[in-house]
Amino acid sequence: SQTIHQWPATLVQPVGSPLSLECTVEGTSNPNLYWYRQAAGRGLQLLFYSVGIGQISSEVPQNLSASRPQDRQFILSSKKLLLSDSGFYLCAVRTGTGGLSEDEKLFFGSGTQLSVL
Amino acid sequence: KNQVEQSPQSLIILEGKNCTLQCNYTVSPFSNLRWYKQDTGRGPVSLTIMTFSENTKSNGRYTATLDADTKQSSLHITASQLSDSASYICVVSPANDYKLSFGAGTTVTVRA
Repeated sequence: SQTIHQWPATLVQPVGSPLSLECTVEGTSNPNLYWYRQAAGRGLQLLFYSVGIGQISSEVPQNLSASRPQDRQFILSSKKLLLSDSGFYLCAVRTGTGGLSEDEKLFFGSGTQLSVL
Repeated sequence: KNQVEQSPQSLIILEGKNCTLQCNYTVSPFSNLRWYKQDTGRGPVSLTIMTFSENTKSNGRYTATLDADTKQSSLHITASQLSDSASYICVVSPANDYKLSFGAGTTVTVRA
């Protein structure tokens, strides 16, 4: 069965500091990987998604970046955090063919609560 | 405009009562529709998944319905418990796209 690890669970960082959030997946190969941000009381906002190693698509222009150095590793980074980067960050994994199949699985990491002060 | 709209935005119910959450979508063609439960500060957890050919799917006290013709889905919670207090999110997977469409969620508060 698939397992997704996301860390850290909480993070408090000063404005202007760097960021690195990591997500790793077990039990599957060549998954689609996603980074979402969720503001308090709001829906999930897609930040990045990746369909393969080194393949990153960005949805929202911002000072964040993502990388996929290995098939089952997805990293969210920033060189200099802004106050507006505060939020709840979720890594998600989608496996399967993506076709009309109930076997397609979509599951989420436990999330990282980031507070930029 | 969001392709997945959920209503109500929030609701409060008494323990033991039933409630129904709505999800309307415009995603087409779609692969499947899922309902997730998200506790505060945690990642969403899957409750149900339905393909376009399915009308209903149950998971314990949670029952989801789908009308692919009207592009509507509902999640019914039976005999609510305090632990049902959470945000419930409707997620639609397009058939030909890697991007997922999320509703903003319905926050359910169950009171004793």
